[in-house]
Amino acid sequence: AQSVTQLGSHVSVSEGALVLLRCNYSSSVPPYLFWYVQYPNQGLQLLLKYTTGATLVKGINGFEAEFKKSETSFHLTKPSAHMSDAAEYFCAVIDSGRDDKIIFGKGTRLHILP
Amino acid sequence: DTGVSQDPRHKITKRGQNVTFRCDPISEHNRLYWYRQTLGQGPEFLTYFQNEAQLEKSRLLSDRFSAERPKGSFSTLEIQRTEQGDSAMYLCASSPALRGYNSPLHFGNGTRLTVT
Repeated sequence: AQSVTQLGSHVSVSEGALVLLRCNYSSSVPPYLFWYVQYPNQGLQLLLKYTTGATLVKGINGFEAEFKKSETSFHLTKPSAHMSDAAEYFCAVIDSGRDDKIIFGKGTRLHILP
Repeated sequence: DTGVSQDPRHKITKRGQNVTFRCDPISEHNRLYWYRQTLGQGPEFLTYFQNEAQLEKSRLLSDRFSAERPKGSFSTLEIQRTEQGDSAMYLCASSPALRGYNSPLHFGNGTRLTVT
């Protein structure tokens, strides 16, 4: 079964600094990868997804992620953090062997320092 | 598009009681998923439906859990004889596509269950 590992349960960055949230996946077949964001007391919202094609994927709110097959990674970045980016971020992968069940990582809580 | 609606938002129950949650997906979404989320963890898959058919149920899911989607629209998740370990946020999501990877999951705001 496929899985994702998110490095760092908490990440703190200063406002205006680069955001980097790490995600590594395990898969024996080409994966489909996602990043979701969860704001307090809300459901999850899709930030971006990689299925096929261009390996650099742009999402909402200025976030982007790059699929690197050689590193089995799908790290999420944003050039300049904003206070409103404070939330929990989940990397996820389609379990292609089990018909579209999405598997989530444990999440990384992003803190923005003023 | 009114979004995925879950009811209730919060439920407090005593150990041993039965509880039922409801999820109304976005209209015409044929896929409906249930996930469970505990503090510090990502959403854990429970089960999902394609229209009214339940296609998969997690092997980690106790027999005390049952879900239905009788007319392919709303869904209910029932937990019988609740235990304190059932305390969690229960998330519902829907998707319009036959193949999930082409369409994102749309999540509701969840039902938070507390078992005392």
